[in-house]
Amino acid sequence: GIQVEQSPPDLILQEGANSTLRCNFSDSVNNLQWFHQNPWGQLINLFYIPSGTKQNGRLSATTVATERYSLLYISSSQTTDSGVYFCAVEAPSDGNQFYFGTGTSLTVIP
Amino acid sequence: DSGVTQTPKHLITATGQRVTLRCSPRSGDLSVYWYQQSLDQGLQFLIQYYNGEERAKGNILERFSAQQFPDLHSELNLSSLELGDSALYFCASSVSSVTEAFFGQGTRLTVV
Repeated sequence: GIQVEQSPPDLILQEGANSTLRCNFSDSVNNLQWFHQNPWGQLINLFYIPSGTKQNGRLSATTVATERYSLLYISSSQTTDSGVYFCAVEAPSDGNQFYFGTGTSLTVIP
Repeated sequence: DSGVTQTPKHLITATGQRVTLRCSPRSGDLSVYWYQQSLDQGLQFLIQYYNGEERAKGNILERFSAQQFPDLHSELNLSSLELGDSALYFCASSVSSVTEAFFGQGTRLTVV
C-alpha cells in the first residue's frame, strides 16, 4: 500500500513560535487531509487539500501533488495547538483506502 | 461537532465477549469508514462502505465484521474479544471516497 511519512515525529515549541510539519507520500493521491488529534482523542479536520494552498487563521497548508508532499504551517503557536497532527491520503492505486501517517506530536509550552 | 455520531463513547467488556459499535454518518454522506487506533499501531484503516456496499477493506480481523444499513448508519461488530483489541475505534463519513472525511468522537473500548 501507499506509504505516508510524517516529520518530525516530535516537536516542542515555545508559545509564539512557528513550525512546519511535513507529509511525504509514495504514490499519486486524490485525497489528502490534515487532522489535529487533541489530548482528548478527538480528530479535528484542519484541511482538505489534495493540491494547492489553503489558509485558515494561523494555520496554512500546501500540497505539491506532483512531488508527493504536503506541508502544514503553524504560526504564532499556542498551548491549545498541542496534540498530534496527522496527514491522511487516499490513493486510487490502492483501492481508495484512506491511509494515515504516523503523526507529529506537538507540545507547545508557555 | 463533526456531525458524525458514535455510540457508545466508552465500553468495558471481558475477554471472549462480543460488542457492537454504532455510527451515524453526517446527513447526506454515503461513505462510512472504520478505524482502529491503538497505542502501538497508530490509526489503522479497517473497512469502508459506500451506500450500503463494502468498498475497501484494510487490516480487519476475521473476528470483526461491519455493515452499513439502508438508512446509512453503520455497525462494527467485534467478537471473541482479546486484550489486544482495546483501542479507540473511530468512524468517519464523507459524501464519496474522494471528498473530505469527518470523524466521530470515537468509542474507547477496554477489554479486561
